[in-house]
Amino acid sequence: SAVISQKPSRDICQRGTSLTIQCQVDSQVTMMFWYRQQPGQSLTLIATANQGSEATYESGFVIDKFPISRPNLTFSTLTVSNMSPEDSSIYLCSVGSWAGVNTEAFFGQGTRLTVV
Amino acid sequence: GQNIDQPTEMTATEGAIVQINCTYQTSGFNGLFWYQQHAGEAPTFLSYNVLDGLEEKGRFSSFLSRSKGYSYLLLKELQMKDSASYLCAVGNQAGTALIFGKGTTLSVSS
Repeated sequence: SAVISQKPSRDICQRGTSLTIQCQVDSQVTMMFWYRQQPGQSLTLIATANQGSEATYESGFVIDKFPISRPNLTFSTLTVSNMSPEDSSIYLCSVGSWAGVNTEAFFGQGTRLTVV
Repeated sequence: GQNIDQPTEMTATEGAIVQINCTYQTSGFNGLFWYQQHAGEAPTFLSYNVLDGLEEKGRFSSFLSRSKGYSYLLLKELQMKDSASYLCAVGNQAGTALIFGKGTTLSVSS
């Protein structure tokens, strides 16, 4: 199983500023995923972070707002730029590989962001 | 399009059995996941089904029927600590991100 360390665990930020969230995995993984979970909602995929190439963003999410870095196979960052109160959410990174009968997919502990 | 449906809320009492259903329609299928999420915490992996049938893990079991696009999570001998949100998710293709349902909030009372 993979152990994922995500930080910060929470932050309160002023509108118009940016926050970078870090995700460290204890093993090498090809793909890492960033999700957002708004209050009372389920998880929505923001983007897939591939090592050595540009991140792939889902509909409704753009690189200028959520730039992602993936410098190596164990680390990724997500930046929430020019924040507004609507960005207040839990942000989660995830890794996993599944192509067989026994598999798992893991999440970091999440970053609870409040924008004031 | 992608669609995953599960009930919004369920209630049950301690010691009982509860079944949380999930139906899905996705463009691809490479496994169905169940996660448990307590308020304010990250989701915790519960189970993964890629073949039809029942997978049992202690008090929790998960069932999959690919032909029906249907899964359920069965929780036995319910405890108060099982009060949480249960998320059904589908792996669209091998190695890709998961598509999540909106989650089922389970409340267990004494």
